[in-house]
Amino acid sequence: SQQGEEDPQALSIQEGENATMNCSYKTSINNLQWYRQNSGRGLVHLILIRSNEREKHSGRLRVTLDTSKKSSSLLITASRAADTASYFCATDAILSGNTGKLIFGQGTTLQVKP
Amino acid sequence: ETGVTQTPRHLVMGMTNKKSLKCEQHLGHNAMYWYKQSAKKPLELMFVYSLEERVENNSVPSRFSPECPNSSHLFLHLHTLQPEDSALYLCASSQETRNTIYFGEGSWLTVV
Repeated sequence: SQQGEEDPQALSIQEGENATMNCSYKTSINNLQWYRQNSGRGLVHLILIRSNEREKHSGRLRVTLDTSKKSSSLLITASRAADTASYFCATDAILSGNTGKLIFGQGTTLQVKP
Repeated sequence: ETGVTQTPRHLVMGMTNKKSLKCEQHLGHNAMYWYKQSAKKPLELMFVYSLEERVENNSVPSRFSPECPNSSHLFLHLHTLQPEDSALYLCASSQETRNTIYFGEGSWLTVV
């Protein structure tokens, strides 16, 4: 079954607005990562948050992690048209026999209108 | 430029063809991965190689055959594929598993 699930599946906002995407997961994790994918391209790593961290910032990105609720959120502030992309969360689940693979969610497609 | 290079970027092949996808990483990593991305489906992990040894095979059909001759190169050999195998195939690498993964730009595969 899928470990990470993003919400919403699609989000459309105006330039300058903030965008919030959520990710829920099922099992205990070592860390959670967020990736971005422009249409038809490879994924690019944005930020990693460890299970003992609650919040992390990187430029206009803010990630929170609530291990009690098994959820994370990615906030992009002051969005730009260039932020239009799909955003994925990926979890490094603590599973028996897990070789450390990342499990990706289906992603949130963000459209930022100029 | 992520340091992970995939070739070819686009491939069209018939169901009886044999072709290969190639991946090369210039990051000094010791783990490499093949992922499959189809429309409206989550990214699917296919294979994981750690220190050139396959450590994960996610029930991938035998018509996909990976090869990792050294820690910098990874191949995906394709044979008698089906149209439903058409997808974006992404190679990635990391320093050990459990860490940040660096992806290539992907190879778009169309099976006709």
